Amino acid sequence: ETGVTQSPTHLIKTRGQQVTLRCSSQSGHNTVSWYQQALGQGPQFIFQYYREEENGRGNFPPRFSGLQFPNYSSELNVNALELDDSALYLCASSFGGLVQETQYFGPGTRLLVL
Amino acid sequence: QKEVEQDPGPLSVPEGAIVSLNCTYSNSAFQYFMWYRQYSRKGPELLMYTYSSGNKEDGRFTAQVDKSSKYISLFIRDSQPSDSATYLCAMRDQTGANNLFFGTGTRLTVIP
Repeated sequence: ETGVTQSPTHLIKTRGQQVTLRCSSQSGHNTVSWYQQALGQGPQFIFQYYREEENGRGNFPPRFSGLQFPNYSSELNVNALELDDSALYLCASSFGGLVQETQYFGPGTRLLVL
Repeated sequence: QKEVEQDPGPLSVPEGAIVSLNCTYSNSAFQYFMWYRQYSRKGPELLMYTYSSGNKEDGRFTAQVDKSSKYISLFIRDSQPSDSATYLCAMRDQTGANNLFFGTGTRLTVIP
C-alpha cells in the first residue's frame, strides 16, 4: 500500500505568480483534503474533494482552487500569490462514504513567496 | 477565540518521563478527536484516533477525551528521544466535509 505523495517538495515563487501543487492519494482512498500550515501554526483547512467534486471549503479566497482526477489524485492551484501564502501545503487522503474515515497526510510542499 | 486551543510549549522533559499534552475546544459538535505527530519539515503522522468520550491506549500512548469539559489529553509514558516532535491535536464534527480543526501544536523535546 503506497502512502500519500506530494510534488514538488519545495518551491520558490514571486508575488503575483501562479502555482500548482500535486498530490497522489493513498491506495483505496477517494477523498483528498488540502491544508495550509504557516510556520509555528497548526494546519488550516483549505478545501476537500470527494469523487472529483468539491465537498467543503475553509476560509480561503477564490484564488485558491483545486481539482481531483478520476484516479483520485489532486491539484491545488493558487493564483496571484501573496507573501502570506508562504507556508507548508499539506494534502491528506481518506476514504469517504457514509462516514468519512481518518485522514492520512503527505509530506507537504513548502512554498516560499518572495 | 480559536475553536481549538493548544499550549505551544516548548516542553522539555528527561528521557523516561511521563508527558502530558492537552487541548481545549469550544465547539460541542466535535465528535472525533485525533493526535498527530509532526517531525520537523515533515507531514503530520496519525498517532491516536478517538470517537466521543473515553480513553484509548496504544503502547506507550494514551488518549483521553472529556467532552463535558471540552478537554482532550495525550499521555506518553517512558518518553524517548525519538518522541521529540511537535504534537498536534485535531478534531472534527460529523458533517460530511470531514475537515479537521487543529491546535497550534506543542513542541516536545525529550532529553537523553
